[in-house]
Amino acid sequence: GNSVTQMEGPVTLSEEAFLTINCTYTATGYPSLFWYVQYPGEGLQLLLKATKADDKGSNKGFEATYRKETTSFHLEKGSVQVSDSAVYFCASGSGGSNYKLTFGKGTLLTVNP
Amino acid sequence: EAGVTQFPSHSVIEKGQTVTLRCDPISGHDNLYWYRRVMGKEIKFLLHFVKESKQDESGMPNNRFLAERTGGTYSTLKVQPAELEDSGVYFCASSQRLWGGDYEQYFGPGTRLTVT
Repeated sequence: GNSVTQMEGPVTLSEEAFLTINCTYTATGYPSLFWYVQYPGEGLQLLLKATKADDKGSNKGFEATYRKETTSFHLEKGSVQVSDSAVYFCASGSGGSNYKLTFGKGTLLTVNP
Repeated sequence: EAGVTQFPSHSVIEKGQTVTLRCDPISGHDNLYWYRRVMGKEIKFLLHFVKESKQDESGMPNNRFLAERTGGTYSTLKVQPAELEDSGVYFCASSQRLWGGDYEQYFGPGTRLTVT
């Protein structure tokens, strides 16, 4: 079955620092890849996604590129803000329409002013 | 538009008791999913409903767990009898039914279940 491995953290950065959270996956076939974010007290929200190799997903200044050759989908942001503090989950999809999500363990990001 | 809601937000029960978790999906979403996160582990898929039908329940851990979605609206997940290892956060998600392609799952805030 599918599996996702991501940097566990916690990660603590100062405002305006560069962020990278590593994510690698194993899967049969060609899964879609996702990054979800969970802010305190809220549900998971889709941050960005990529559906095929070399696709780049982007949203709110975050980016991730689907790298089939390295089976990776690393999350990056050039300048983090305090409001980016949250838990970030990498996920892959399987099943028809990729409905069955396989998640990594999550990475807690804290951004200090 | 209201998001996915879950009730209760937190439940503390003793081993051997029964607990029922409820999920109200976004109105009009035919697809409903249950996931759970046991402490320190990944969020794991439990099952998928399309309307009132169970499409995939491959992630259900054992027969102490029963999920229902009568009428294709809200869903309940019953744990009976609860064991210590059932403690964790139970997430519900829903999505619109789109033919082909990917579709976004909208998650609720989760129910934190503590079995003592």
